[in-house]
Amino acid sequence: GESVGLHLPTLSVQEGDNSIINCAYSNSASDYFIWYKQESGKGPQFIIDIRSNMDKRQGQRVTVLLNKTVKHLSLQIAATQPGDSAVYFCAELNTVNFGNEKLTFGTGTRLTIIP
Amino acid sequence: DSGVTQTPKHLITATGQRVTLRCSPRSGDLSVYWYQQSLDQGLQFLIQYYNGEERAKGNILERFSAQQFPDLHSELNLSSLELGDSALYFCASSPRSTYFGTGYTFGSGTRLTVV
Repeated sequence: GESVGLHLPTLSVQEGDNSIINCAYSNSASDYFIWYKQESGKGPQFIIDIRSNMDKRQGQRVTVLLNKTVKHLSLQIAATQPGDSAVYFCAELNTVNFGNEKLTFGTGTRLTIIP
Repeated sequence: DSGVTQTPKHLITATGQRVTLRCSPRSGDLSVYWYQQSLDQGLQFLIQYYNGEERAKGNILERFSAQQFPDLHSELNLSSLELGDSALYFCASSPRSTYFGTGYTFGSGTRLTVV
């Protein structure tokens, strides 16, 4: 069945360094992917998304890379700041199932920024 | 403020009881999704409603039910509560389809504690 997994459950990065969070997905029919950030006590917050017809997308300090060949997704955060400390989830979606847009989430990676 | 409102924020109840969680979607969004997040776990999809109709079901227990009203707010009913039902329950909303880059918008969640 569908599953989205994360390679590393925890990640500690020195402030100012870049971080990379990885995600593997198993549903080859997934064609839309989203990264979410969840801070303690809050709901997930949309960071960046990417469609399957792209292999890279950049936002402000964040870049998402998609490798459909190996079904792998990554989130790069540049020049990390203390406010980046949170749990990061990747999620996948098969948009062909119009009207049935349930995102499948991975278990998350806890990113800790060390001052 | 994400625009998705969930009430109550916290709920403590005893085993065997029944509770109702409420969600008001972001203005203009037609789809509402319910997710359950247990401690240090990912988000498990429960159910989706689109414009008042059930559209997709996940691993939702028979003791749980939901509905979406004409004004598009949604309620998740949890009955015969067990200790294992203690979790964060998130509601998310989206426009007609998430494919157009907006992703979902999550509320801040209801923390349910069953004692």
